[in-house]
Amino acid sequence: NAGVMQNPRHLVRRRGQEARLRCSPMKGHSHVYWYRQLPEEGLKFMVYLQKENIIDESGMPKERFSAEFPKEGPSILRIQQVVRGDSAAYFCASSPPESYMYEQYFGPGTRLTVT
Amino acid sequence: KQEVTQIPAALSVPEGENLVLNCSFTDSAIYNLQWFRQDPGKGLTSLLLIQSSQREQTSGRLNASLDKSSGRSTLYIAASQPGDSATYLCAVRPSGYSTLTFGKGTMLLVSP
Repeated sequence: NAGVMQNPRHLVRRRGQEARLRCSPMKGHSHVYWYRQLPEEGLKFMVYLQKENIIDESGMPKERFSAEFPKEGPSILRIQQVVRGDSAAYFCASSPPESYMYEQYFGPGTRLTVT
Repeated sequence: KQEVTQIPAALSVPEGENLVLNCSFTDSAIYNLQWFRQDPGKGLTSLLLIQSSQREQTSGRLNASLDKSSGRSTLYIAASQPGDSATYLCAVRPSGYSTLTFGKGTMLLVSP
């Protein structure tokens, strides 16, 4: 059973470009979470999704950031018009249904660098 | 608002020592608490999960305890090894939420 997959592992974008980060949850997991780790800071929750539904996006910046988890395919975190402050490690985690009872399993992360 | 604090921020010990990492949280209404390990430039590896009804969990040389009423958890590492060097993160899942609130971590260095 493969773990949580994220790609790309490293992404470099110039200011103003778009960044697309992909996450494939573990097999059998229908809940996906995105977290961001800024330099010298802890991981901060961004968004929680189930298939075709955003459950909680209270941690998402109001502008330029969006996330989806379609019926087929990976979850996508999209950052439009990136700025230098978006440089961070973005982690995806997944869990089975009744998610509050279970561990979240994390992917290896995507390290975004904005130049 | 739930806040998680980890003390110390960094710890350096010689190989073979037993050590304790501390985690405190401000709101005792939690589903569970999870300890993770993060190696430099890598993702998170889950070490132990303690449900709110449990007092401790053990895995190999690791033992995690939970005192929900006082808002504290400890991670005990026995007979530390250089391979234990990493950042250890504590995260709580507040009641009513499915997401995790993380501390900033304790960076551990075990020297040979």
